[in-house]
Amino acid sequence: EDKVVQSPLSLVVHEGDTVTLNCSYEVTNFRSLLWYKQEKKAPTFLFMLTSSGIEKKSGRLSSILDKKELFSILNITATQTGDSAIYLCAVEENNDMRFGAGTRLTVKP
Amino acid sequence: NAGVTQTPKFQVLKTGQSMTLQCAQDMNHEYMSWYRQDPGMGLRLIHYSVGAGITDQGEVPNGYNVSRSTTEDFPLRLLSAAPSQTSVYFCASSYSRGLGYGYTFGSGTRLTVV
Repeated sequence: EDKVVQSPLSLVVHEGDTVTLNCSYEVTNFRSLLWYKQEKKAPTFLFMLTSSGIEKKSGRLSSILDKKELFSILNITATQTGDSAIYLCAVEENNDMRFGAGTRLTVKP
Repeated sequence: NAGVTQTPKFQVLKTGQSMTLQCAQDMNHEYMSWYRQDPGMGLRLIHYSVGAGITDQGEVPNGYNVSRSTTEDFPLRLLSAAPSQTSVYFCASSYSRGLGYGYTFGSGTRLTVV
């Protein structure tokens, strides 16, 4: 059965810490892997990854995909309270986009 | 403002009632979909549409109907609401499906069935 698994499910850190969020997947027809940030309402797009080993970077956030080992990581350096959110990993297949359960990140002052 | 608009934002229904969740986008996206989000389960696909007049079932379609008469609108109908349908519902759209364009999400509808 196709699935997307994120870990950890929740994480509490202090401002300035670096965090790594994990996403592993098993899907039949992989097209891309996407990371979203969800605060109070709708998920907002962070990154789309299609090729192994190429890091995507935006400010303090970065992500990389390993298509051989079927996983991706999302790194956040020098965390801030504004990074507190649920981070969703999704894998796009031919027919739909399958989401993981998310990692709830809490950054304390 | 361009984007995906969902209405209502909140709704309480009694068991057995029916209702329609509205979704409209003004980005000329061909692909639209409905997800429900439940604690610990991520987002699960209910129905999707690849263009006007074309719809198909997702992972959890039972109890829901959709139609796509125009490119802009993709309403989700609950036929006879049940407490198990208490959830947050998101509509999403994309330029195309399966080509890595990512999705734009609406702000969600929080539905409670009592």
